[in-house]
Amino acid sequence: AQSVAQPEDQVNVAEGNPLTVKCTYSVSGNPYLFWYVQYPNRGLQFLLKYITGDNLVKGSYGFEAEFNKSQTSFHLKKPSALVSDSALYFCAVRDQGQAGTALIFGKGTTLSVSS
Amino acid sequence: DSGVTQTPKHLITATGQRVTLRCSPRSGDLSVYWYQQSLDQGLQFLIQYYNGEERAKGNILERFSAQQFPDLHSELNLSSLELGDSALYFCASSVDTGVGYGYTFGSGTRLTVV
Repeated sequence: AQSVAQPEDQVNVAEGNPLTVKCTYSVSGNPYLFWYVQYPNRGLQFLLKYITGDNLVKGSYGFEAEFNKSQTSFHLKKPSALVSDSALYFCAVRDQGQAGTALIFGKGTTLSVSS
Repeated sequence: DSGVTQTPKHLITATGQRVTLRCSPRSGDLSVYWYQQSLDQGLQFLIQYYNGEERAKGNILERFSAQQFPDLHSELNLSSLELGDSALYFCASSVDTGVGYGYTFGSGTRLTVV
């Protein structure tokens, strides 16, 4: 079975500081990995994805994520946080070898950026 | 506007009732996915359709059912509603079932069961 864990319910960071939102996953094969962001009263918006290749993936709004196969992690990072980055962030995974299955999402991490 | 349309945006109904949530996927997308978002369970996958056929099932209760029509819109039917069914229900679509493609999400239907 595939699963995703986001160990922190909330991450607090000051504006201008770097931020990290953690994600670990479990799949039997190789993973497809995604990050999505949800603003209040809105649907989820795609940020970035890892399919194959370079372990450092760059996405929207200055976010990036690093795929670490040995640690089964896909942490979301940004060098300098903005107040407008405050939102709910979801990590998602699917096993590349299991065609036709849907993305499995973590429970989400609330990012709060203070000015 | 993501291109995925969900109606209604809000729904308030009583326990024991039945409701239907509707989703129109983004133009060109053949796959539709339904998710339930609640505070304690996070985002739970319910069911997936591809070009009219059911492709995968997740944590969907027997009281819930769904279908995808020839015009590719999808409906999620929730019956014998309980207070615990109160949640935000999202529909997402993708071009294909292959997950080189990301999902595009609608803005959701907020269901309140009283």
